[in-house]
Amino acid sequence: DIQMTQSPSSVSASVGDGVTITCRASQGIGNWLAWYQQKPGEAPKLLIYAASTLQSGVPSRFSGSGSGTDFTLTISSLQPEDFATYYCQLANSLPRTFGQGTKVEIK
Amino acid sequence: QVQLVESGGGVVQPGRSLRLSCAASGFTFSSYTMDWVRQAPGKGLEWIAFISYDGGNEFYADSVKGRLTISRDNSKNTVFLQMNSLRLEDTAVYYCARARGRGWFDLWGRGTLVTVSS
Repeated sequence: DIQMTQSPSSVSASVGDGVTITCRASQGIGNWLAWYQQKPGEAPKLLIYAASTLQSGVPSRFSGSGSGTDFTLTISSLQPEDFATYYCQLANSLPRTFGQGTKVEIK
Repeated sequence: QVQLVESGGGVVQPGRSLRLSCAASGFTFSSYTMDWVRQAPGKGLEWIAFISYDGGNEFYADSVKGRLTISRDNSKNTVFLQMNSLRLEDTAVYYCARARGRGWFDLWGRGTLVTVSS
């Protein structure tokens, strides 16, 4: 099975800061990667699919990049509503493994 | 309204069974593969099961293989998760999710909590 490793596990940042989260696959997966945001008590929300395609309705401050084994999620200017946990997910393969998650906290 | 609504969660003793349901509405259910994802308290997301459009193919995480069974009834727009031989470590919020494209989840239910406790 392909393993997905996210880093860091948590990051502290201020409103207006830029944040980058990394996801690494244990073998090449093309661009078959998705990113999700989850707030406490809520279901996850799809942000980006196919590594870099923004889901409809998601603000443009979110962006994704990468292919093969290394991927990044970037939030260009953190807003108060962005403090949450973010997960990457392997697509186009079973099992559909999630990364361990990255919690973005207020500094 | 496009939505997924899970039901069937609750408190159950170890070794017992439980059946979760996920009712879909507002979209053509039979055109989508469906999955179950769970989240133990304070932990991350764990994908656990997949079912194909017509129910002909299933796939499971190793952690649940042989104990959990996914199924669907396209006539009732519902996907199920039969959970047998439950363990303490199965305690989690269980989400059903609609898979789009190559397998990213664009629609989630609100989840149903399963607590396995003696």
